[in-house]
Amino acid sequence: GAVVSQHPSWVICKSGTSVKIECRSLDFQATTMFWYRQFPKQSLMLMATSNEGSKATYEQGVEKDKFLINHASLTLSTLTVTSAHPEDSSFYICSARDPSGASGEKLFFGSGTQLSVL
Amino acid sequence: AQSVTQLDSHVSVSEGTPVLLRCNYSSSYSPSLFWYVQHPNKGLQLLLKYTSAATLVKGINGFEAEFKKSETSFHLTKPSAHMSDAAEYFCVVSYYSSNTGKLIFGQGTTLQVKP
Repeated sequence: GAVVSQHPSWVICKSGTSVKIECRSLDFQATTMFWYRQFPKQSLMLMATSNEGSKATYEQGVEKDKFLINHASLTLSTLTVTSAHPEDSSFYICSARDPSGASGEKLFFGSGTQLSVL
Repeated sequence: AQSVTQLDSHVSVSEGTPVLLRCNYSSSYSPSLFWYVQHPNKGLQLLLKYTSAATLVKGINGFEAEFKKSETSFHLTKPSAHMSDAAEYFCVVSYYSSNTGKLIFGQGTTLQVKP
């Protein structure tokens, strides 16, 4: 099946710094990617929809200036957590949509990034 | 409005015994429903999906789920649990047609399998 690579798998940073998370579709072109956030013992919440070549669409309550999303190519979307604070510590996971459905399933998830802000 | 509720936050079974993970949904539309599994340090993996075809859906690793519109349920079952089934399971409903990223996740159910 199709593979989505997410990097890094975990990151620790100091408060006030910025962290970039990458999401790559390895064997298909993803016109749309999605970013989710998961707090401990809670469910995943959709943060934003990333469309190649256009601005991301953010869900209500998600600060777009805080969580910068760039989808510059058909295989790469990045999420940058700017000026991170301890409350941003969370598990971030991306998914990518394969519009061709060549693999039989259209939505694939990365393995996630655990962000810890000190 | 669409929502999904997983009725048990934690389920513990013995190896070889049946598994039942419960899920109820509410949706204004004909829903697409999914079950995903999340193993530690791994990405979400699709177990199965319902998209208005057969109401009994068979997935990977021996799991299956039955869509019951009258009960607004989509419970996940497996006849015999394996140790490798221990993981977090999410019931998911889709906003629109199947396989869009606008998914609503349930709270998750942790499945523990005892030897």
